[in-house]
Amino acid sequence: LAKTTQPISMDSYEGQEVNITCSHNNIATNDYITWYQQFPSQGPRFIIQGYKTKVTNEVASLFIPADRKSSTLSLPRVSLSDTAVYYCLVGPLNTGFQKLVFGTGTRLLVSP
Amino acid sequence: DAEITQSPRHKITETGRQVTLACHQTWNHNNMFWYRQDLGHGLRLIHYSYGVQDTNKGEVSDGYSVSRSNTEDLPLTLESAASSQTSVYFCASSGSGSTDTQYFGPGTRLTVL
Repeated sequence: LAKTTQPISMDSYEGQEVNITCSHNNIATNDYITWYQQFPSQGPRFIIQGYKTKVTNEVASLFIPADRKSSTLSLPRVSLSDTAVYYCLVGPLNTGFQKLVFGTGTRLLVSP
Repeated sequence: DAEITQSPRHKITETGRQVTLACHQTWNHNNMFWYRQDLGHGLRLIHYSYGVQDTNKGEVSDGYSVSRSNTEDLPLTLESAASSQTSVYFCASSGSGSTDTQYFGPGTRLTVL
């Protein structure tokens, strides 16, 4: 299994860029990297997903180096509402789900 | 709008009792999942299903069972609840496309006394 490691917590201020890194040294060839956001008493919510290089959507960017052994979620100009726990998920998307591994999550606190 | 729902949202039961948690999705997704979330462990996969009549064990399947009789539902049963199964349980579903992601339900908080 592709064990994943994330920082336990991070602090930031409104308007700053936040980068959260996930290490996944044993990532397999057909594994994708997906990031989720979770607020208290809610289920995880999809943020972004990628396989290699850089992916960008309207809320975040995902950077994946060539060796794919880590990935970095980048949140531009965070606001108070971005305070949440962020999880990386490594694994295949449509088969072999026994290999899915969630990180333990990074608690992001955004202050005024 | 399509959604995924879980019931009940909160449940308190006693050790040894059988408990069933419901999960219902209207996305028409083939894949469905059950996870448990505990402090310090993140989300761990309990069972998953690729479609009707298909079920598979995940990382932490001992003490849990699932059945898939239709596309929309994947109930999770604890045959004999134990205190170690006190947790928050999340159901998720995903399509069968090559880049389909999982959509999660709101969760069920289960307490076993």
